[in-house]
Amino acid sequence: NAGVTQTPKFQVLKTGQSMTLQCAQDMNHEYMSWYRQDPGMGLRLIHYSVGAGITDQGEVPNGYNVSRSTTEDFPLRLLSAAPSQTSVYFCASSPHSIRQGNNSPLHFGNGTRLTVT
Amino acid sequence: GEDVEQSLFLSVREGDSSVINCTYTDSSSTYLYWYKQEPGAGLQLLTYIFSNMDMKQDQRLTVLLNKKDKHLSLRIADTQTGDSAIYFCAEKFEASNSGYALNFGKGTSLLVTP
Repeated sequence: NAGVTQTPKFQVLKTGQSMTLQCAQDMNHEYMSWYRQDPGMGLRLIHYSVGAGITDQGEVPNGYNVSRSTTEDFPLRLLSAAPSQTSVYFCASSPHSIRQGNNSPLHFGNGTRLTVT
Repeated sequence: GEDVEQSLFLSVREGDSSVINCTYTDSSSTYLYWYKQEPGAGLQLLTYIFSNMDMKQDQRLTVLLNKKDKHLSLRIADTQTGDSAIYFCAEKFEASNSGYALNFGKGTSLLVTP
């Protein structure tokens, strides 16, 4: 298994451009999520999905869209990039929807480093 | 989720024990996790503890949980230079009616010196 695969690894955008960060997992995980990591801020949840066709907002969803048309893929779209979206983005998946009572640790990809100028 | 608090830096000598502390917010959290992040990499699950446990040991790692104080600690015995990394504490929380998510601390940078 490749685990959680994120592409690209690095990206530079100009303000106002749009792009999609790709995330794929081959573990048949039900749950997928996107976090951003910023210095001094730790990891903050952007969006998550408890299964194909279902998505929900996390702590910092503004400026980002997601969709979950298949179990394997969970792309993150930046509609109009802003310098405040310069960050490292991590996709993470879990076998279950992290329901209460389930131990569902997250499996992380290696991240996409995005710079918006 | 509300803030999960961790100290930002810890420096220890090789061979000593390291103790990384964390306070979490949700008294109903059922699982608490420790993740390790090496430079340029994603987060790797180190260990976890279920909320009905006080302690869990896994080779060089010992996790202590004090539910009354909502305090979690990670002890690394015989710390090695390869243990230098950022360590994140995380709690499960109810993100919405449709599911839960993990609430992460800001991470503790552990530096192990020879």
